[in-house]
Amino acid sequence: KAGVTQTPRYLIKTRGQQVTLSCSPISGHRSVSWYQQTPGQGLQFLFEYFSETQRNKGNFPGRFSGRQFSNSRSEMNVSTLELGDSALYLCASSLQLAGGTSYNEQFFGPGTRLTVL
Amino acid sequence: DQQVKQNSPSLSVQEGRISILNCDYTNSMFDYFLWYKKYPAEGPTFLISISSIKDKNEDGRFTVFLNKSAKHLSLHIVPSQPGDSAVYFCAASRMRGKLIFGQGTTLQVKP
Repeated sequence: KAGVTQTPRYLIKTRGQQVTLSCSPISGHRSVSWYQQTPGQGLQFLFEYFSETQRNKGNFPGRFSGRQFSNSRSEMNVSTLELGDSALYLCASSLQLAGGTSYNEQFFGPGTRLTVL
Repeated sequence: DQQVKQNSPSLSVQEGRISILNCDYTNSMFDYFLWYKKYPAEGPTFLISISSIKDKNEDGRFTVFLNKSAKHLSLHIVPSQPGDSAVYFCAASRMRGKLIFGQGTTLQVKP
């Protein structure tokens, strides 16, 4: 079974621009979570989507947004980029129990390295 | 407020010996704990997990211990191998879909 894929792997943008990152979860996984990894703050939760709905949200400004499509693929968008947005953005997917509750185990993609100049 | 802490930034052990990685948490509402391993330029790889109703879980060379009263968990790797050299993150969950991560411990296993 293919793992979580993320595109692009590397991205360079300038301040003020916007960016869209894409994530395809493991086949059959309907929950997709996004994380930001920086040297100073470590791995921080951005948001989680399930069945095209945002279920959980971390403590990030409104410039960070996301969405999920009917095939469970997800995108995240960052508008008005700032230098501090330079980070590794990780997407993770997880399986669901019959009632819709997600398993705790999340499986991560390789990440998108975003550099803001 | 850092709810999950890994106080040792690095650990070095000899091949064949035991590696013990530690993690402390502050939120008693966490009900599930996980360990991930990460190589540079790759996403974290799931290793092992434990529910708060258990105090030990084993999977091959990896064992996770949970001490709820001390709000402490540890990952034991026996025997350690050079290929285990990586950054190890512990994570906690009380809300499905959201993991809170520690800062990571870099493990170096020397041949």
